[in-house]
Amino acid sequence: AQTVTQSQPEMSVQEAETVTLSCTYDTSESDYYLFWYKQPPSRQMILVIRQEAYKQQNATENRFSVNFQKAAKSFSLKISDSQLGDAAMYFCAYRRLYNNDMRFGAGTRLTVKP
Amino acid sequence: DVKVTQSSRYLVKRTGEKVFLECVQDMDHENMFWYRQDPGLGLRLIYFSYDVKMKEKGDIPEGYSVSREKKERFSLILESASTNQTSMYLCASKWQTPGTGELFFGEGSRLTVL
Repeated sequence: AQTVTQSQPEMSVQEAETVTLSCTYDTSESDYYLFWYKQPPSRQMILVIRQEAYKQQNATENRFSVNFQKAAKSFSLKISDSQLGDAAMYFCAYRRLYNNDMRFGAGTRLTVKP
Repeated sequence: DVKVTQSSRYLVKRTGEKVFLECVQDMDHENMFWYRQDPGLGLRLIYFSYDVKMKEKGDIPEGYSVSREKKERFSLILESASTNQTSMYLCASKWQTPGTGELFFGEGSRLTVL
């Protein structure tokens, strides 16, 4: 079974600084998708960024970027110029190609200090 | 905007009661999901449905059942609630088409079983 590990239960960053959230996963598949989701306090979970495993180029979305290391099965999220609104739980997720079952990590709670 | 609406944000029930959690999506998504979210465990899939009246078990289906009589509505049923079912329940939906289809989540239903 595929598993997703987020080794940092909590992280903290100063406003305007950069923070990196870690994620590793275990799979025997060669094609799959990876996601980072954000869950703000008392609000619904939303997609931050996604990566297709067959693409070598790291995905970026404005201040959010990933470092995808396929051989190492690592998928970290970098948040640049952190803002107070970035404070949330962040979940890393994995999904096999053509499969509906998405696997989530335990989450990392990010605090942004003013 | 895609909207996934969960009927109750907060519920308090007693042990042995039957509990219904309802979820409605307005984007004609074929796939709908129920997850359970617990601290340190992330999101775990209870059931998902890929079509009306169709369902598949996820990782933790014991103690739960589901119903999908209409495409837009997916209900989670706890036949006899127990204290270990106290948790946050998240509904999600997505299109069936292959690709990096993201999940769209509701705001969650926090259930407390006394």
